[in-house]
Amino acid sequence: KQEVTQIPAALSVPEGENLVLNCSFTDSAIYNLQWFRQDPGKGLTSLLLIQSSQREQTSGRLNASLDKSSGRSTLYIAASQPGDSATYLCAVPDSGGYQKVTFGIGTKLQVIP
Amino acid sequence: KAGVTQTPRYLIKTRGQQVTLSCSPISGHRSVSWYQQTPGQGLQFLFEYFSETQRNKGNFPGRFSGRQFSNSRSEMNVSTLELGDSALYLCASSYQEGGYTFGSGTRLTVV
Repeated sequence: KQEVTQIPAALSVPEGENLVLNCSFTDSAIYNLQWFRQDPGKGLTSLLLIQSSQREQTSGRLNASLDKSSGRSTLYIAASQPGDSATYLCAVPDSGGYQKVTFGIGTKLQVIP
Repeated sequence: KAGVTQTPRYLIKTRGQQVTLSCSPISGHRSVSWYQQTPGQGLQFLFEYFSETQRNKGNFPGRFSGRQFSNSRSEMNVSTLELGDSALYLCASSYQEGGYTFGSGTRLTVV
């Protein structure tokens, strides 16, 4: 059974800071890993999808890395902005198929102007 | 292209009633998954359907059921509602290993 841990649970930073969100998982036999953002009361917005053959993916100010051997992924946000305030979730597939993903509890980010 | 559409957006039901939620996936996506999100438990997997077949099911009581139609649209049903069923229900569609796209969710409140 896949278990996903996200650290820290909450983070408050001043605008402009670079920051790193961490995701660890127990079963490394995964085919991809996906990072999402969720605004209060809303659905999930996909940020980055990293395939198992890749080590990182970039989109704008976001960069996500994947180290399967150590069971870790990091989401790096450069030059944070107040609009980045949201909860960030990582989703990791259960091994043996792609019918189910397990989510971490998320990191709640607040960027202070 | 159109995203994942969930209807209705909000529902208020009374304990003991039943409810049906609907999800229309992205065109061409044949896999539809359902998740329940509560403040205390986070996102919990309910079930996944592919080509009208349930391939995986989470640890929820039998009151939670679902189905998928030939056009890939999916419904989930909760019977004999309990207060603890109040949650945001999220549907996601996917295509092979291309990741998940989520809908905006249905907020269910049981009173």
